[in-house]
Amino acid sequence: DAGITQSPRHKVTETGTPVTLRCHQTENHRYMYWYRQDPGHGLRLIHYSYGVKDTDKGEVSDGYSVSRSKTEDFLLTLESATSSQTSVYFCAISADADNSPLHFGNGTRLTVT
Amino acid sequence: AQKVTQAQTEISVVEKEDVTLDCVYETRDTTYYLFWYKQPPSGELVFLIRRNSFDEQNEISGRYSWNFQKSTSSFNFTITASQVVDSAVYFCALIGYGGSQGNLIFGKGTKLSVKP
Repeated sequence: DAGITQSPRHKVTETGTPVTLRCHQTENHRYMYWYRQDPGHGLRLIHYSYGVKDTDKGEVSDGYSVSRSKTEDFLLTLESATSSQTSVYFCAISADADNSPLHFGNGTRLTVT
Repeated sequence: AQKVTQAQTEISVVEKEDVTLDCVYETRDTTYYLFWYKQPPSGELVFLIRRNSFDEQNEISGRYSWNFQKSTSSFNFTITASQVVDSAVYFCALIGYGGSQGNLIFGKGTKLSVKP
């Protein structure tokens, strides 16, 4: 299995509070991604990174920011959490742009009350 | 625009039945990649297969087989002699060659329940 660790695995937070989710990889892969999974919507890309300090927006980026200061770490921040951000968040990595499959972390279940 | 459609939201079969999960895609790219992922009840996402658009050979891996047909823009997944452990949500996904990573498109998934 690809070495991807997401933390925390579960989190409950209140509306309006900032939240940071962490993804750590040991594969030295260039590309990292944050997805959210919601019933009826499948997986939707939030942000991705194609290198240290190189990031770009995905389909549902509003309300989220990311940072990648090291190859192995990709942080997802909800600046002011809202109930609509209650979801399961998956981090994924891939070795290159389009040929390599994504390998996913085990997910973080976030509940915003 | 690229799109992946998994028309079957849920499928229920009895163990040992064969089952086919449909995936239909839309893309204007001539080179692209298709994927299948499995998400068992435990929640992790597991990569199953990657296929590029120039390779239309069917692939078999144990009880799993994949039928790629460019003429019908389909990449269907068949499980032969299904088992309870096959119960999961299965996702089909598509990316165009050279496209931004933001262009990896997932279908909404098909939930397969295999009953003993």
